[in-house]
Amino acid sequence: GENVEQHPSTLSVQEGDSAVIKCTYSDSASNYFPWYKQELGKGPQLIIDIRSNVGEKKDQRIAVTLNKTAKHFSLHITETQPEDSAVYFCAASNFGNEKLTFGTGTRLTIIP
Amino acid sequence: DAGITQSPRHKVTETGTPVTLRCHQTENHRYMYWYRQDPGHGLRLIHYSYGVKDTDKGEVSDGYSVSRSKTEDFLLTLESATSSQTSVYFCASRQGREKLFFGSGTQLSVL
Repeated sequence: GENVEQHPSTLSVQEGDSAVIKCTYSDSASNYFPWYKQELGKGPQLIIDIRSNVGEKKDQRIAVTLNKTAKHFSLHITETQPEDSAVYFCAASNFGNEKLTFGTGTRLTIIP
Repeated sequence: DAGITQSPRHKVTETGTPVTLRCHQTENHRYMYWYRQDPGHGLRLIHYSYGVKDTDKGEVSDGYSVSRSKTEDFLLTLESATSSQTSVYFCASRQGREKLFFGSGTQLSVL
């Protein structure tokens, strides 16, 4: 089955700086890579996703990049703000598969 | 947010007792999932359903069973709770193959 590794497990950045979270996956058949944000006491929420036919996708201050050859994908948050503090999860799946495999999460703390 | 409600939100129980967690969705989504969240392990899939009465195992299904008798309800049962099942449990649903909507979670403590 798919295995997703996520690094780092914790990340602290100064407000206004950029944050990068990296994930690797094992199954070359995986072609869908979402990112979820979990705020304290809540369930995860989708913030951005990318399919394997695209190398990069942006949504305002958030971007995701994908390197299929290396089986790496990353989340980039620019101009970080206090409300970006949360736990972030990457995930991977084969689009034809009902199951999504998650990484172990990154706790991002934005320092004012 | 999609209409996903989990109950109870918090539960404390004793080892060896049966426990049932309920997930209710109002979006008429076909797929429903139960995950557990533990420090250092992220979100791990317990069981999932791809339709009424159609369920399958996830990666950590031992000690858990599920049932889906209606589209909107997905029940997770711990037949005989153990301390290793102390966790936060999340239900999720989706219609297609993309966006997963999560409930707010159930904090379960097995003493």
